[in-house]
Amino acid sequence: DIQMTQSPSSLSASLGDRVTIRCRASQSISSHVNWYQQKPGKAPNLLIYGASSLQSGVPSRFRGSGSGTDFTLTISSLQPEDFATYYCQQSFSNSPYTFGQGTKLEIK
Amino acid sequence: QLQLQESGPGMVKPSETLSLTCIVSDDSLSDNNYYWAWIRQPPGKGLEWIGSFYDGGITYYNPSLKSRVSMYLDTSKNQFSLRLASVIAADTAVYFCARHNKRAVLDPWGQGTLVTVSS
Repeated sequence: DIQMTQSPSSLSASLGDRVTIRCRASQSISSHVNWYQQKPGKAPNLLIYGASSLQSGVPSRFRGSGSGTDFTLTISSLQPEDFATYYCQQSFSNSPYTFGQGTKLEIK
Repeated sequence: QLQLQESGPGMVKPSETLSLTCIVSDDSLSDNNYYWAWIRQPPGKGLEWIGSFYDGGITYYNPSLKSRVSMYLDTSKNQFSLRLASVIAADTAVYFCARHNKRAVLDPWGQGTLVTVSS
């Protein structure tokens, strides 16, 4: 399995802050990383696909970058609705597709 | 806009078979550009890919669950199903169905359904 390791596991930040979440793959996966946001009691929602492409309807304050083994999700100016848990997912290998353990973003 | 909705029993006894269905709101089950997946999330934990398939017949399952998992497609009813045999307490989770493309980008997802394994 390709392991996806996110850091940090949790993060406290204030409205308007810029935050960065990192995801490291256990082997090179080119740009095959997707990012999801999950709010309590809800299904995950796609934010970024192919490492850096913004899903339609997602605010431009979300940005994805990286390739190979290291990837980042950056939120440029935190809004109240951004406090949630974020997951990366590798789509390079289907044996199996795997997710990071999640990063919980909380209000400071 | 495509919507997915999971249905099935909320509780299953240990050693029995968990069966869930995902109803798809349009005809895209027959579109070979899409795959159909099940993902689960134990309470308070992260996401685990169970498996995917598409109408062309290709299926792939998580190796950790492969011996117990089967998936079925019923295009006439616009639905697909999951069966997980010989369940144990560790199979307690919210089960999500989702659609993905050939790049395994999951969108959209169903709302999820909690299945508890308990006697």
